Amino acid sequence: AQKVTQAQTEISVVEKEDVTLDCVYETRDTTYYLFWYKQPPSGELVFLIRRNSFDEQNEISGRYSWNFQKSTSSFNFTITASQVVDSAVYFCALSHNNAGNMLTFGGGTRLMVKP
Amino acid sequence: DAGVIQSPRHEVTEMGQEVTLRCKPISGHDYLFWYRQTMMRGLELLIYFNNNVPIDDSGMPEDRFSAKMPNASFSTLKIQPSEPRDSAVYFCASGALRGSEAFFGQGTRLTVV
Repeated sequence: AQKVTQAQTEISVVEKEDVTLDCVYETRDTTYYLFWYKQPPSGELVFLIRRNSFDEQNEISGRYSWNFQKSTSSFNFTITASQVVDSAVYFCALSHNNAGNMLTFGGGTRLMVKP
Repeated sequence: DAGVIQSPRHEVTEMGQEVTLRCKPISGHDYLFWYRQTMMRGLELLIYFNNNVPIDDSGMPEDRFSAKMPNASFSTLKIQPSEPRDSAVYFCASGALRGSEAFFGQGTRLTVV
């Protein structure tokens, strides 16, 4: 069975602080995919990143960066110099190759960035 | 591309009534998913289709729920009869390839009173 755990239910930071959102996953599959989605207050789910299990390279996109560590089954997300517009709920998700594109979501982390 | 389009955006209905939610996936995407989001259970997959064929409906809560995909550009999720515990946000999403990211619609907020 697959499982995604986001232990931080809520984080509050002040603008310009760096913040890391944790994601730990469980799967027995050797081929799988990891994702992060953002859900702003308006409610839609916005895709941020996809990573496959064979690619452990860290990725940076502007102020966003992701750290994938297979050894600890973690896929953490860091926002550098946070801004108020980053306030949202962030979801980590996992899918495995044998189940098409079925996503198992974590419970989400609500990030509040205060001015 | 307009993205995944869901309708209606909001639906308020009385217990016992039939509710139909609609979805138009992104053109060319072979996978379509229906998810439900509630405070208690988070985001959970209800059913997904590949090339219009239902592949896994194990997440459908009970027989009151049914989903169809008559063609590549349209899907429906029907609840009959609806109950207050069905109140949730229902998302439709589509994906191009096996293992690719899914793109979500704006969601339908369903309230059953």
